[in-house]
Formats: sequence, structure tokens, C-alpha cells
Amino acid sequence: GENVEQHPSTLSVQEGDSAVIKCTYSDSASNYFPWYKQELGKRPQLIIDIRSNVGEKKDQRIAVTLNKTAKHFSLHITETQPEDSAVYFCAAETSGGGADGLTFGKGTHLIIQP
Amino acid sequence: KAGVTQTPRYLIKTRGQQVTLSCSPISGHRSVSWYQQTPGQGLQFLFEYFSETQRNKGNFPGRFSGRQFSNSRSEMNVSTLELGDSALYLCACRAGYGAGELFFGEGSRLTVL
Repeated sequence: GENVEQHPSTLSVQEGDSAVIKCTYSDSASNYFPWYKQELGKRPQLIIDIRSNVGEKKDQRIAVTLNKTAKHFSLHITETQPEDSAVYFCAAETSGGGADGLTFGKGTHLIIQP
Repeated sequence: KAGVTQTPRYLIKTRGQQVTLSCSPISGHRSVSWYQQTPGQGLQFLFEYFSETQRNKGNFPGRFSGRQFSNSRSEMNVSTLELGDSALYLCACRAGYGAGELFFGEGSRLTVL
């Protein structure tokens, strides 16, 4: 089945700096890669996603890149702000439904230092 | 529109008991997935239902089961509870099957004593 590895588990950056979270996946059939943000005590919410026919996608201060050959994808947050503090989860899935459903990484706790 | 509703929000059980959790998805969303969230393991996929059929199942023992009704509402059941089953159980829905944004409920916090 699909296996998603996520690094680092904790990331502390100064406010205004950039943050990068990296994930690798094992199933070459995976073609949908979303990122979810979970603030303390709240439910996970989608912040950005990318499909395998695209190499990069941006939405204001966040961007995701995908390298299908290497089977890894990354989340980039620029000009970090206090409200970016949260746990971020990457995930992978085969569009149309794979046997494993949507497989998540174990999460990265992003801490924004004032 | 109303979000994903999970009940109960909190519950305490003892080892050996069984528990049933309920999830009402967003109106029109026919796919319902269940996830177990623990501090060390993140979000682990339990199963996904679409049109009353289980489409995918994660790597959990047979004590974990679920079902979906014709109105898309879903339940999951855990029998013979173990201490390690203590977790936040999250339900998530999406409009169709396979890929697309998941909308999560607030979860059911299960504590097994």
C-alpha cells in the first residue's frame, strides 16, 4: 500500500522567514497530493492541493512543488505569520480511488517565533 | 450549508466494551471516510464509504467496522475496546469518490480506561 513520509516533524522559524515541509510517497500510481492544516483543537482543513500533471502550484504565500520522478512533493510558506502556527499534513491518493484511500504523513508541527 | 456533524463528541469506555460513532456529512456529499488521529501516528485511514459500499479499508483489525446508510450518514463501530483505541476519530466527507477536498468533522474523542 501507499506510504507517505513527512519531514521534519517539528519546524521552528522566525516570523517573516520561509518554511519548507517535505514529503515522499511510495506508490507511483498516486496522482493527487493535498496539504491540510490543523490548528490546535480544530479540524484539518485543505490549504492547497496539486495533481500529477502539474509541477507547481501557488496560492498567495503558499506553494506546492511536485517531482514525480523522485516521488516527492513539498510545501513552501513564505513571509510566515503567527497564524501559520499549526500542524501540517501532506497526503497522497490515486485519483478515482485507490485501495488505500487518502494516505497522510505523520504531520509537521510548524512554530512561528515572534 | 451545514458542516460535517459527528456524535458523540466525547465518550469514555472501559476495556472490552464496544462503541458506535456517528457522522452526518454535508448534504449532497456521498463519500464518507473515517480516520483515527493519535499524537504519534497522525491521521490513519480506517475506511471510506461511497453509495453505501465500503470502497477502501486501512490496516486496522476487524474490530473496526463501519457502514453507510442511504442518506449518506455513516457509523463506525469498535468492538472489544483496547486501551490503544483511545484516540480522536475524525469523519470526513467529499462530493465524489476518489480525490477531491475532504471536509472534516470536529471528531469524537474516545477514551478507553
